[in-house]
Amino acid sequence: GQSLEQPSEVTAVEGAIVQINCTYQTSGFYGLSWYQQHDGGAPTFLSYNALDGLEETGRFSSFLSRSDSYGYLLLQELQMKDSASYFCAEMDSSYKLIFGSGTRLLVRP
Amino acid sequence: GAVVSQHPSWVICKSGTSVKIECRSLDFQATTMFWYRQFPKQSLMLMATSNEGSKATYEQGVEKDKFLINHASLTLSTLTVTSAHPEDSSFYICSARDRQVYSNQPQHFGDGTRLSIL
Repeated sequence: GQSLEQPSEVTAVEGAIVQINCTYQTSGFYGLSWYQQHDGGAPTFLSYNALDGLEETGRFSSFLSRSDSYGYLLLQELQMKDSASYFCAEMDSSYKLIFGSGTRLLVRP
Repeated sequence: GAVVSQHPSWVICKSGTSVKIECRSLDFQATTMFWYRQFPKQSLMLMATSNEGSKATYEQGVEKDKFLINHASLTLSTLTVTSAHPEDSSFYICSARDRQVYSNQPQHFGDGTRLSIL
C-alpha cells in the first residue's frame, strides 16, 4: 500500500528555519510534492521533486532522496503567515497524488 | 496561468438532496481531473480520478453510485453527491492535470467546495 509519514505538529519562532520531514513507502513512486493549506482554504502548491536533490524557491526548499524514500521541506526566515498545515504528497505514474497526514506549523513571535 | 475554477464555493442543503459540483480548467486542457474530500483536521483523501470521455476510477471505499463523476470535456468535470446525508458534509476539492507532457506542478487545485448537509 501507500503511506506517507510526517510529524503532526511543529512549532518555531519568527525568523527561524524549520524542516518538515516526510517518508514514503510505495511502489510506482514518481515524485514528491509539497502543499501549504491555511485553515478553510484550498491547498497551495509549493514544490515538486522528481529527481534526487534540492529544489529552491525563494524561502522554501524541498529535498528528495529516492534511495531513502525520504524528503523534506525547508522553510527559512519564518514569518507569521507561514503558520499553516503542510502536506507532502507522492505522485505515481498515473499522476495520482496521495497525501500525507499533514504537519501543522505554528510560528510564534 | 493554469487556473482551476470550482463552483459553488459553498452549499448548504437538506438531507436527501443531490448536489452537483463543477470543476473547470480555465486556461488549459485537462487530460485528467481528480476529486478529493477533506474532513476537518484531516488530510485530503483522493476519491476518484476522471479522464475525459471515459468512466471515472474510484478509490477503494468510495461509492461510485453515491458520488457520480462526469468528465464530458477537456475543461470540465462534475461531481454529483446523490441523496446527500449529514455524514457527506465535507470539503470537496478538485484538481486538474495539464495536458502538457511536462509541468513542474503535478496538479492544479480548485478552491474547494464546502458542503453542509442539514
